[in-house]
Amino acid sequence: GQNIDQPTEMTATEGAIVQINCTYQTSGFNGLFWYQQHAGEAPTFLSYNVLDGLEEKGRFSSFLSRSKGYSYLLLKELQMKDSASYLCAVRDQTGGSYIPTFGRGTSLIVHP
Amino acid sequence: DGGITQSPKYLFRKEGQNVTLSCEQNLNHDAMYWYRQDPGQGLRLIYYSQIVNDFQKGDIAEGYSVSREKKESFPLTVTSAQKNPTAFYLCASKGSQLRSGANVLTFGAGSRLTVL
Repeated sequence: GQNIDQPTEMTATEGAIVQINCTYQTSGFNGLFWYQQHAGEAPTFLSYNVLDGLEEKGRFSSFLSRSKGYSYLLLKELQMKDSASYLCAVRDQTGGSYIPTFGRGTSLIVHP
Repeated sequence: DGGITQSPKYLFRKEGQNVTLSCEQNLNHDAMYWYRQDPGQGLRLIYYSQIVNDFQKGDIAEGYSVSREKKESFPLTVTSAQKNPTAFYLCASKGSQLRSGANVLTFGAGSRLTVL
């Protein structure tokens, strides 16, 4: 299985930049997802990394280093609506199921 | 609009009662999943189904049961054997293939079960 670790909570100021880290240990890494979840709502897909490097999508970017078992989600020009939980999920190809395992999530609080 | 519909959104149950949570999708996705979410625990996989009439246990299947008689439907029954059933339950299906080949999960809005 996987061991996925991310900070429990982070706070940041509107307009600033925040980086949410995720470390993982897995024997059959096959990709890493980031999802955003507002309180009481469904998680929504943000980004996917399977190769090393940075993927940029508007204000959000995600980075992956497979050798270090490390990813981060970078949020720029923070807005109040970015206050949410950010879930890191790792896909493992062991057993052929390819089902992602989720971390505990990082609750981001954006204040004025 | 295509999507996943979960019902009910809120459910209260007395101890010793079984309850069934509904999950319906019109996305024509083959694979469907049930996750449980508790504060500070992230999402944990209960059951999943890759195809109609087939399903597999996830990491925390004890006290739960499922069926997959139709492609569109994947109901979850929380039985009286589940010791701590109060939680937020999320249903998901696997579709939306990215250029890389990976599939993104699409989630329903969730069902919050409270045992009194």
